[in-house]
Amino acid sequence: GENVEQHPSTLSVQEGDSAVIKCTYSDSASNYFPWYKQELGKRPQLIIDIRSNVGEKKDQRIAVTLNKTAKHFSLHITETQPEDSAVYFCAASRHAGTSYGKLTFGQGTILTVHP
Amino acid sequence: DGGITQSPKYLFRKEGQNVTLSCEQNLNHDAMYWYRQDPGQGLRLIYYSQIVNDFQKGDIAEGYSVSREKKESFPLTVTSAQKNPTAFYLCASSIPWGGLGELFFGEGSRLTVL
Repeated sequence: GENVEQHPSTLSVQEGDSAVIKCTYSDSASNYFPWYKQELGKRPQLIIDIRSNVGEKKDQRIAVTLNKTAKHFSLHITETQPEDSAVYFCAASRHAGTSYGKLTFGQGTILTVHP
Repeated sequence: DGGITQSPKYLFRKEGQNVTLSCEQNLNHDAMYWYRQDPGQGLRLIYYSQIVNDFQKGDIAEGYSVSREKKESFPLTVTSAQKNPTAFYLCASSIPWGGLGELFFGEGSRLTVL
């Protein structure tokens, strides 16, 4: 089955700096890659996703890049703010085959933005 | 107000007891999921259901059971066979099935085995 590795497990930055979280996946058939943010004591929420037919997607201060050849994708947060502090999860799933639709999550990254 | 409701929020159980976690959604979603969250291990899929009266094992189904008798409801039973049940449990739903839609999560249930 799919295996998703996420790094780093913790990331500490100063307000205004950029933050990058990286994930690798094992199943070359995976074609959907969402990112979820979980603030302390709250439910995970989708912040951005990318499909395998594009290499990059941006939404204001966040962006995701995908390298299908290397089987890795990354979350980029620019101009970080204290409210960006949270746990971030990457995930991967495929659109066909026996594991159709199953989202496999990475281990999570605890991001702390210091004012 | 649409969403997913999990109950109870906190639950304590003695070893050897079965417990059932409730998950109800009014989003009219076909697919529902149960995930387990442990520190440093991300979210691991326990069971999922694409449609009423059908469900599939996820990656860590041993010691758990589910039912899907109604579209709105997907309860999870943690049985005494689950060797390490203390964890945070998250229910989610999505439309469409296929992993190409956003997962909407409940607020979670924290189970502690005494």
